[in-house]
Amino acid sequence: QVQLVESGGGVVQPGRSLRLSCVASGFTVSSYAMHWVRQAPGKGLEWVAALSYGGINEHYAESVRGRFTISRDTSKNTLYLQMNSLRAEDTAVYYCARALPDYWGQGTLVTVSS
Amino acid sequence: DVQMTQSPSTLSASVGDRVTITCRASQSISTWLAWYQQKPGKAPKVLIYKASSLESGVPSRFSGRGFGTEFTLTIDSLQPDDFATYYCQDYSDYSRTFGQGTKVEIK
Repeated sequence: QVQLVESGGGVVQPGRSLRLSCVASGFTVSSYAMHWVRQAPGKGLEWVAALSYGGINEHYAESVRGRFTISRDTSKNTLYLQMNSLRAEDTAVYYCARALPDYWGQGTLVTVSS
Repeated sequence: DVQMTQSPSTLSASVGDRVTITCRASQSISTWLAWYQQKPGKAPKVLIYKASSLESGVPSRFSGRGFGTEFTLTIDSLQPDDFATYYCQDYSDYSRTFGQGTKVEIK
């Protein structure tokens, strides 16, 4: 069945970088648009980035544009989110999600703190 | 960018009640609207897509209506498992814009 498993979260200092991974099973990431969505503690859902199903087009929320990069490795069926110049306001649970989204991972917590 | 506004932010209701949540888009999104349910510590779960299509496996007490800029999610006969936070989401383009959420609480 379809499954998404995120990893790579943790505690990081402001200004540093982190890369999140999302391993997909039950489908191929190259056949769907894929997204990263985040949720700050006690807050609502915020869309972060999308990668088109062809892997050509990347789209970003204004809050992360120029700092975050979404990518994929089709040989590993894995989606990535490279996060640079992290800020305290990037602290959140990060979910990868497929298409609509109809399937979501369980999320990985990123805490940006000195 | 499309902005999504949900109301109310919090809704207190009892088991068996019929509840309605409203979502307004800042511009027409046709029927490119989904509704999600989220429980604490869990990922969101899709309930409705294309404004009114029920996702497979979702109970029929959930229904969605609307077109353009005005949408509603209705839960007929609220069940204990339905106390959660609900989000609307626009998917008219590659980005995804969520409403701020409606928390359905036990009265």
